[in-house]
Order: sequence, then C-alpha cells, then structure tokens
Amino acid sequence: AQSVTQPDIHITVSEGASLELRCNYSYGATPYLFWYVQSPGQGLQLLLKYFSGDTLVQGIKGFEAEFKRSQSSFNLRKPSVHWSDAAEYFCAVGAGNNRKLIWGLGTSLGVNP
Amino acid sequence: ETGVTQTPRHLVMGMTNKKSLKCEQHLGHNAMYWYKQSAKKPLELMFVYSLEERVENNSVPSRFSPECPNSSHLFLHLHTLQPEDSALYLCASSQDLTANYGYTFGSGTRLTVV
Repeated sequence: AQSVTQPDIHITVSEGASLELRCNYSYGATPYLFWYVQSPGQGLQLLLKYFSGDTLVQGIKGFEAEFKRSQSSFNLRKPSVHWSDAAEYFCAVGAGNNRKLIWGLGTSLGVNP
Repeated sequence: ETGVTQTPRHLVMGMTNKKSLKCEQHLGHNAMYWYKQSAKKPLELMFVYSLEERVENNSVPSRFSPECPNSSHLFLHLHTLQPEDSALYLCASSQDLTANYGYTFGSGTRLTVV
C-alpha cells in the first residue's frame, strides 16, 4: 500500500543550526514527492517538489530536499534555521498519475532563540 | 484579492445547527478540494471538483454536502454534525486535477461542534 512516514513527530533546533526532516515513502512506481509547510493558523504552502531529473531540488525559503530511491526517502534540509521556520512540515507523495496526494502525519518544528 | 480565501475562520455550532463554509479562489484554477485536518491523522481528502463537477467523494457522511456553483467558489454545507467532526477544514485549488503544479490552500475554518 502507498504510504508516507515522517518518523519525527516533533523536532526542536536552535536558530542558526542546520535542519533535516525525514520522509520515507512506500510507492510502487516512480513517485512524485512534495514538501508543504503549515505555519500556525494558516493553510499549507508548497515548499518544493520532485518529479524527475536532478535528485536534489531547491525550494522556497532556502529549503532543499534530496530524493534517494535506494532508501525510499525524500528528506528536507536547510543549512541555517530562522525563528520564522517554526511550523508544521508535511511530506506527500502523488499517486494515481499524481491525481491524489498521500500525506504524512507531519513534523512539528520548534526553533529556540 | 489573490490566493484561496476561506470564511469563516472559526465556527462553533451545535449538533442541530446548519451552517456553511465558503471558499473562494481567484487564481483561475480548474480544480478545488475540501480537506479535513484532525490532530494525529493524515490530511483527509473529502471532495474534489473539476470545473464545477464533483469528481470524487471519499466516503464522506451525508451530513457534509458540497456545492460548487462556479469554478471560483466552493461551499461545504454542514448539518447535524457530531463532536468528532470538530477539525480544521481546508480548501485548496490547483490548475488541473493533478498535483503537478502544487495545491494552493486557504487558511482553513476551525470548526468546533458542541
């Protein structure tokens, strides 16, 4: 069955530290992969997406993610976290010719000043 | 106004009330969605509309009734809800029925059923 796992429910980092949020997926074909961010009281915003080609994709707000087929992973990274990055981060995989998104449970990011 | 706008932002209703959630997009998108977001659960897709035609209904109870009068507006009519229906209801839109261009989400309606 298709699924997305975000192993970390909550992560706290210090401002200026690097960040890596983990995402593992289970999908039979080549996946379409997404990261979305949800700030408190807001809807979700697309950070970046991977469909094919270069396995390292750049997104908005200084985020990047790397697709590793051998590990079925699509981890999100940022070299230096800002306090405004505190939010909920969701990984998703597109299924059914990318007409349906399978969502992870999300990782809540806290940032210490 | 740009993006996806949802009203109201917060709603408290009794189990016997009837209320409606409204969603509006001015992005020229052809597909619109209702999602339910509950704590400790993945986002649940409720309904999908493409050019005002409902294309998906994911086994949602009949106490939720969607309406899409045109490609810019989407409603979710609520009646005789249960306390477990309390959640954040998110509207989203996309250029077409694929996620190729990403979804644009509204800020949601926080619904509390008492």
